[in-house]
Amino acid sequence: QKEVEQDPGPLSVPEGAIVSLNCTYSNSAFQYFMWYRQYSRKGPELLMYTYSSGNKEDGRFTAQVDKSSKYISLFIRDSQPSDSATYLCAMSVGNNRLAFGKGNQVVVIP
Amino acid sequence: GAVVSQHPSWVICKSGTSVKIECRSLDFQATTMFWYRQFPKQSLMLMATSNEGSKATYEQGVEKDKFLINHASLTLSTLTVTSAHPEDSSFYICSARDLGDYEQYFGPGTRLTVT
Repeated sequence: QKEVEQDPGPLSVPEGAIVSLNCTYSNSAFQYFMWYRQYSRKGPELLMYTYSSGNKEDGRFTAQVDKSSKYISLFIRDSQPSDSATYLCAMSVGNNRLAFGKGNQVVVIP
Repeated sequence: GAVVSQHPSWVICKSGTSVKIECRSLDFQATTMFWYRQFPKQSLMLMATSNEGSKATYEQGVEKDKFLINHASLTLSTLTVTSAHPEDSSFYICSARDLGDYEQYFGPGTRLTVT
C-alpha cells in the first residue's frame, strides 16, 4: 500500500462550481498536510498547510484534515479558469521528507 | 517570497553523456535542498536530500553514482546525471528549505530528454 493515495483521474468542472479533491494515507505518523498547485511544466507551489484535524480556510480554498480516517480534502469555491492546474497533496512526519500523492488535473471550463 | 531557480529549464542530450542541472535559492539560505523526479502524470518522487556541506542522502533505489549531488554552498546545489540513458528522461525538480522552516520552495523544474 502506498503511503499516500490520490486518485489521479482528471476533473472538469464549469466555472463557478466547487472543486473537491481528496487523498488518503496509511502512515499515522504524518503530522503535516499540504496541498500544492502545479501548472504545466512548472514546479509546485504551496497552497495550503495544516497540521491538525479540522478545516482551514484561505480565500476560496478550504483544506480539511480528518486524522482519525486518514483522509484530507481540498475544496475550491467559485472555481475560475485560472484554477486549472494539477493539485497534489503532500504530507510529512515532522520536518522531514514530503510524501506526495499522484495529483489531480483540474480543468475549469469557462 | 522565497524564490528558487533552476538551470537549464530544458536540455536534450545524447545517450552516454552527462548533464548538470543547477538549483539556486535566490533570496534565502537553503540549508537543505531536495531533488525530485517526476514522470508524466506521476507524482514527485524524492531522489535525494542534501544538507549544505554534507553528502547527500539518497532514497532507496536511486543510484548515487549515477545521480551526483553537490551542495557546496547555501544557495547552490547541482545534480549531475552521468552516462544518461533514454530512461533517465524526466522532469527534475529541486526544492530548498531554510533552517527551521517547514516549507519547501520549489524550482520551476528541468525537463531532460535523452536521445
